[in-house]
Amino acid sequence: GAVVSQHPSWVICKSGTSVKIECRSLDFQATTMFWYRQFPKQSLMLMATSNEGSKATYEQGVEKDKFLINHASLTLSTLTVTSAHPEDSSFYICSASYAGSNYGYTFGSGTRLTVV
Amino acid sequence: KNEVEQSPQNLTAQEGEFITINCSYSVGISALHWLQQHPGGGIVSLFMLSSGKKKHGRLIATINIQEKHSSLHITASHPRDSAVYICAVKGNQFYFGTGTSLTVIP
Repeated sequence: GAVVSQHPSWVICKSGTSVKIECRSLDFQATTMFWYRQFPKQSLMLMATSNEGSKATYEQGVEKDKFLINHASLTLSTLTVTSAHPEDSSFYICSASYAGSNYGYTFGSGTRLTVV
Repeated sequence: KNEVEQSPQNLTAQEGEFITINCSYSVGISALHWLQQHPGGGIVSLFMLSSGKKKHGRLIATINIQEKHSSLHITASHPRDSAVYICAVKGNQFYFGTGTSLTVIP
């Protein structure tokens, strides 16, 4: 149980375009979802926290206009990288917390974004 | 200084060896997670601990809240255990260690 599906697993896009990454909780309602970014050889960095039906909370240094997060339902959160640039190339991972399990968190499989 | 420190950063072991990865943290936490990240990038949650010890197959995780320290042990290591193991703690936010890259040689 408590599976999070992240899609796509990899994407290549041209500079200036926008890319949407989806994170779905398949068998539970995710009250809170988290978006992380990982640079090569580095650990995960929290980008933002999203709660269903409200605006996301962004970590310091993360551009909210560039990384648009929508958590419109209890099973879906999306991260849109707008006007992508090569420096946005990275590995993006979501995780979700689920009610009914003490401090339970589960992770998506990640999306590797390459901007050319 | 990182809130979460892992050691060692890199570890190479022969198949069958007993492996220990350590994690120390400096913040108050509600839970500690051990994560496994394979070369493709996908992350699997191995354990979530708030006290004591948990065992799953050949994996054992322990935590000492007073000492703010956790260990992940792998018994009878196998090449398929090769991955990056990440310690993460949940305080007022998630803090991640930089990971331990484990390579198990046949």
